[in-house]
Amino acid sequence: KAGVTQTPRYLIKTRGQQVTLSCSPISGHRSVSWYQQTPGQGLQFLFEYFSETQRNKGNFPGRFSGRQFSNSRSEMNVSTLELGDSALYLCASSLEASRGSYNSPLHFGNGTRLTVT
Amino acid sequence: QKEVEQDPGPLSVPEGAIVSLNCTYSNSAFQYFMWYRQYSRKGPELLMYTYSSGNKEDGRFTAQVDKSSKYISLFIRDSQPSDSATYLCAMERVTGANSKLTFGKGITLSVRP
Repeated sequence: KAGVTQTPRYLIKTRGQQVTLSCSPISGHRSVSWYQQTPGQGLQFLFEYFSETQRNKGNFPGRFSGRQFSNSRSEMNVSTLELGDSALYLCASSLEASRGSYNSPLHFGNGTRLTVT
Repeated sequence: QKEVEQDPGPLSVPEGAIVSLNCTYSNSAFQYFMWYRQYSRKGPELLMYTYSSGNKEDGRFTAQVDKSSKYISLFIRDSQPSDSATYLCAMERVTGANSKLTFGKGITLSVRP
């Protein structure tokens, strides 16, 4: 089975621009979560989607948004980029939503490294 | 106070050493405890999972949980260069149809040949 695929692997953007990141979950997985990873804050939860609906949201500004398509693929958008948005953005898929790691463990992709200059 | 605190590192040990990685937490509602391993330029992968106080062994790895002290540890015996990675602890609370997973910041381990 193919793992979680994230594209692109690397992105360089300028402050003020917007960016869209893509995530294809493992086949059969219906839940997709997004995380931001930085050296200072570690791994922080952005949001979770299941059946095209946002189920949970972390504590990030409205510039961060996402969506999920009917084939479970997901995209994340960041508008009006700031220097502090430079980070590794990780997508994780699981069979079901919010069932806990025992029942439905997360499988992470290798991330998109976003650099904002 | 952060919900999950992890020793910041980095940590460098010689091959064959016993490694001890630690996390503390403040939220007594956490029920499940995990360790993830993240190799350079890769995403985290689940390494160990436990839900009760005590020890859980898997090969060279032992996860230890002390709920009374709100403290978890990961021990690596006979460490190998292939163990060089970032290790993240994670804690989870599951209530009904909702779960919340909180990660530590991670510690980077380097095992020298």
